[in-house]
Amino acid sequence: DGGITQSPKYLFRKEGQNVTLSCEQNLNHDAMYWYRQDPGQGLRLIYYSQIVNDFQKGDIAEGYSVSREKKESFPLTVTSAQKNPTAFYLCASSSSINQPQHFGDGTRLSIL
Amino acid sequence: AQSVAQPEDQVNVAEGNPLTVKCTYSVSGNPYLFWYVQYPNRGLQFLLKYITGDNLVKGSYGFEAEFNKSQTSFHLKKPSALVSDSALYFCAVIHDNYGQNFVFGPGTRLSVLP
Repeated sequence: DGGITQSPKYLFRKEGQNVTLSCEQNLNHDAMYWYRQDPGQGLRLIYYSQIVNDFQKGDIAEGYSVSREKKESFPLTVTSAQKNPTAFYLCASSSSINQPQHFGDGTRLSIL
Repeated sequence: AQSVAQPEDQVNVAEGNPLTVKCTYSVSGNPYLFWYVQYPNRGLQFLLKYITGDNLVKGSYGFEAEFNKSQTSFHLKKPSALVSDSALYFCAVIHDNYGQNFVFGPGTRLSVLP
C-alpha cells in the first residue's frame, strides 16, 4: 500500500544535540511538508518542498533544517538552536499544492 | 492573509444525534477547503474537500460539509453520530493562487457519548 512512513515514533533529545526525523513516501508526490503540532494550537508549517532539491521556510522554520535530495524523502533536523522542541511532528505529502495532503503517523520528540 | 477559525474547542453529542463542527475562513480569492480527522497519536486523515461546484460536499465515513460563500463557512456535518467518530477535527484552507500553503484551524475535539 502507498503511504508515508515516519520514524522513529518516539525520539528523545539531549541538550545541545541535533536530531533527525525521517519521512519517506511512496505515493510519487512532488510536494512534501513538515508540521509541528502542539496541544491546542493546531498544525504549524515548518518547511515545505514542491520539488526535489528545492524547499521553502514555513511559519516556524527557526531552529530546523531540511533536505530534499530524493523525491521520496524529506528528513527534518531539529537543531540545538530550537529551544523548545518538545512536540508532535507530522510529515505530509501531496500531488500538488492544492490537493489533499496525506500524513504520516508522526514522531513525538521529547527532551531528556 | 489566509486564516481559519474553529469557534468551538469541544463539541459533545449523543450517539445517533446529528453533529456539526463549525469552520469559518478568510482568504483573498477563491478558497479550497478541506476537513481532516485525527485520532490519538496518529496523523491526519483526509475527509472531504470543496474546490468548486455543488455547495454540499460528501466525504468519507458519512460526513458532509456545506460551503457557504456569503458566510465564509464550511461546517462539517453528519446525520447520525457514532461513538467511533470521537476524534480531533481540523478545517484547512488554501486559496486558488498557486504557491500558497494550507492554513489549518486549531481543531475541534468531538466527543460522541453512548
